Amino acid sequence: QKEVEQDPGPLSVPEGAIVSLNCTYSNSAFQYFMWYRQYSRKGPELLMYTYSSGNKEDGRFTAQVDKSSKYISLFIRDSQPSDSATYLCGLGGGNQFYFGTGTSLTVIP
Amino acid sequence: GAVVSQHPSWVICKSGTSVKIECRSLDFQATTMFWYRQFPKQSLMLMATSNEGSKATYEQGVEKDKFLINHASLTLSTLTVTSAHPEDSSFYICSANDRGRGTTYEQYFGPGTRLTVT
Repeated sequence: QKEVEQDPGPLSVPEGAIVSLNCTYSNSAFQYFMWYRQYSRKGPELLMYTYSSGNKEDGRFTAQVDKSSKYISLFIRDSQPSDSATYLCGLGGGNQFYFGTGTSLTVIP
Repeated sequence: GAVVSQHPSWVICKSGTSVKIECRSLDFQATTMFWYRQFPKQSLMLMATSNEGSKATYEQGVEKDKFLINHASLTLSTLTVTSAHPEDSSFYICSANDRGRGTTYEQYFGPGTRLTVT
């Protein structure tokens, strides 16, 4: 079983839609949860960072962590064409760090 | 804050030559720097982890003699691809931890270097 599972997509939504991106994991040692956005041919950019369980909101982005289910989510409200990118989850803990494979998102104007 | 730069952003070299890629943390000191490789439409593949002043730790399957990593200071790490071959063509990305804040797991990425070996 992989440490982190992430649906690669591609995911295509109309502008203004709410987007839900998810990762599941198996290692209960993970305490730090991150979401990165990567535009084509660019390095990943840290979007959200959460420690332990709960929600964190930043503008149109909300990160959720459910440690009991080993499930993390990134929600994007009022999605924009500029949100079109690949989104990677990153999980750390117990001196280990893993990235998901990334979900490719396209927001259609 | 937490800006990481890479140089060059794009390099083309001939088969058999060596190429050096620099990774710098511009506004912080990096506890650890990481080197990744990424093929088109695929996820990041960790190649090695380096701490300043010590030898890099390579992931399984990564040839340490081919991908030489030097972490000379808290703000600079270099990756040298020796005797490059066309199959080494890829997107190489570095990342760094900010030792002054955050956790070991928060990584800040450089913009990447596209290597094409002809």
